[in-house]
Amino acid sequence: QKEVEQNSGPLSVPEGAIASLNCTYSDRGSQSFFWYRQYSGKSPELIMSIYSNGDKEDGRFTAQLNKASQYVSLLIRDSQPSDSATYLCAVLPYNTDKLIFGTGTRLQVFP
Amino acid sequence: GAVVSQHPSWVICKSGTSVKIECRSLDFQATTMFWYRQFPKQSLMLMATSNEGSKATYEQGVEKDKFLINHASLTLSTLTVTSAHPEDSSFYICSAGTSGIFGLLNEQFFGPGTRLTVL
Repeated sequence: QKEVEQNSGPLSVPEGAIASLNCTYSDRGSQSFFWYRQYSGKSPELIMSIYSNGDKEDGRFTAQLNKASQYVSLLIRDSQPSDSATYLCAVLPYNTDKLIFGTGTRLQVFP
Repeated sequence: GAVVSQHPSWVICKSGTSVKIECRSLDFQATTMFWYRQFPKQSLMLMATSNEGSKATYEQGVEKDKFLINHASLTLSTLTVTSAHPEDSSFYICSAGTSGIFGLLNEQFFGPGTRLTVL
């Protein structure tokens, strides 16, 4: 059973702080990793994709991948109240089209 | 990112009727489209995977005769909930993806979702 694990939270951080969201996955052959943001009552929105070990930065977001540890994380710098949402980690296992989603981490950024 | 639309955004229907939901990729050709369902405060649940011109592949426990999927073109997939009942009330979300360099799925982009309420 391929799994993606996330802490459900809520993770509460003050405005301006760095929010760190973590995810582990079980399928060692996975090649593609994604972070989605989902606001309450809305559909998921792709915010980051990462395919190789290391860091990938896009604006205030940095995705980090460590395939040896089967670990992927998302850092949000200068967190804003508008970042308050559920963040879904998704992994594409080897040789399949189906994303495996974690249950999501709820982030709360307070002023 | 790529744009995926869904129509309608919400629908209320009587028990026993059928409802069709459309999913379109607006600015790219989607080799694969996915249909998900999400109940309140729960995670996404994949219902089926569809490829253009072929039959959809349903996940275990999803009734193919109740949830009819048609993927007529590289930009359009439809989900029809037949003989809907109150327990089918949910948030239905489609996503569309393209193949990467190795022919495997690249990024998936989600539509805005359709909220179905069955009375």
